[in-house]
Amino acid sequence: AQSVAQPEDQVNVAEGNPLTVKCTYSVSGNPYLFWYVQYPNRGLQFLLKYITGDNLVKGSYGFEAEFNKSQTSFHLKKPSALVSDSALYFCAVRDGTFKTIFGAGTRLFVKA
Amino acid sequence: SQTIHQWPATLVQPVGSPLSLECTVEGTSNPNLYWYRQAAGRGLQLLFYSVGIGQISSEVPQNLSASRPQDRQFILSSKKLLLSDSGFYLCAWSGMDDAGSQPQHFGDGTRLSIL
Repeated sequence: AQSVAQPEDQVNVAEGNPLTVKCTYSVSGNPYLFWYVQYPNRGLQFLLKYITGDNLVKGSYGFEAEFNKSQTSFHLKKPSALVSDSALYFCAVRDGTFKTIFGAGTRLFVKA
Repeated sequence: SQTIHQWPATLVQPVGSPLSLECTVEGTSNPNLYWYRQAAGRGLQLLFYSVGIGQISSEVPQNLSASRPQDRQFILSSKKLLLSDSGFYLCAWSGMDDAGSQPQHFGDGTRLSIL
């Protein structure tokens, strides 16, 4: 069965510092991996995806993610955090069906 | 460009009352449509998905139902709401040629409170 784990409920980082939000997955076959962001009282917004190819994927708002097949990880990164990056981040995996499995979410706090 | 609309944004209903939440998508044809519930600002629970008009798949047995009367319209309903139906309901769509590699696009949700 497909699953996604986000081991950190919350990540705290100072503005200007690099940030990492962790995600590990379990899926049979080739994974389709996604990151979404959610601001208060809003729907999820798509940030980036990994389908195949280069292990470093670049997305919206300066975010990027690194796919590591041997560690079954897909960590979200940004070189320099902004206060406006504070939000709830979801990692998700699809296995080629209509279902997406979402992680429990990681709340990111960026302090000025 | 494609857009997705959900309404109402906020709803307060008494226990035992009926429910109808509506979602419409513009700018695309034959989308795959989804209803999710998000509890306490955390994980998403898939409730229903639809790959075409009149085609509904239910993921979780409960007192909710979904319908797709038109290509780009997805409705979530209940005949009698329970306290446990409170939550944040999100509608989403993905492209019709979606073999799993396309992201989902979400509406801004309906916050439902049951009193």
